[in-house]
Amino acid sequence: IAGITQAPTSQILAAGRRMTLRCTQDMRHNAMYWYRQDLGLGLRLIHYSNTAGTTGKGEVPDGYSVSRANTDDFPLTLASAVPSQTSVYFCASSDLNSPLHFGNGTRLTVT
Amino acid sequence: LAKTTQPISMDSYEGQEVNITCSHNNIATNDYITWYQQFPSQGPRFIIQGYKTKVTNEVASLFIPADRKSSTLSLPRVSLSDTAVYYCLVVPGGSQGNLIFGKGTKLSVKP
Repeated sequence: IAGITQAPTSQILAAGRRMTLRCTQDMRHNAMYWYRQDLGLGLRLIHYSNTAGTTGKGEVPDGYSVSRANTDDFPLTLASAVPSQTSVYFCASSDLNSPLHFGNGTRLTVT
Repeated sequence: LAKTTQPISMDSYEGQEVNITCSHNNIATNDYITWYQQFPSQGPRFIIQGYKTKVTNEVASLFIPADRKSSTLSLPRVSLSDTAVYYCLVVPGGSQGNLIFGKGTKLSVKP
């Protein structure tokens, strides 16, 4: 089934550790996004990429980095995790003037 | 980018029509309006989009007045399974990238 695959589904991570959340789409969409969702704060955009080879900062980019080496993959890296990065992370993709397609999320707990 | 404002929560009963209004006062000429539904532990799912007047699909209607500074998602005859968070998102026409969600409206449908 076409869509977005996120991995891992959940993870418990010690503070200070490095972690990469994976996101892969098979719809050949140009744009990809990373959001985090915390209780009461809705979805907040971390980083986005309009096309392979380009990335941009969203609302809350600090502490996160992304890369877009190809169309399908958009990994999100936490270089040194902190407890405030405990959240549910959603990856999404879209084509121009078409709706966002979301993955099922990664639940990350930083202890 | 147009900022959106929605009620934080709404309650309804099964069989009723529910209308959720989103305010987007600084919407630009080329922007269009999209709505998403999110169930717990899932990514948001696209419901409907429109530019002006009225759009209807199999699950909802979207009403957009002439000034386009607000939009109303209408869910006919809701059921318990419509309990979810609903987000409106204003998307710049012809571009992608910095897509900022509001906090959404938590709809609770009671029997």
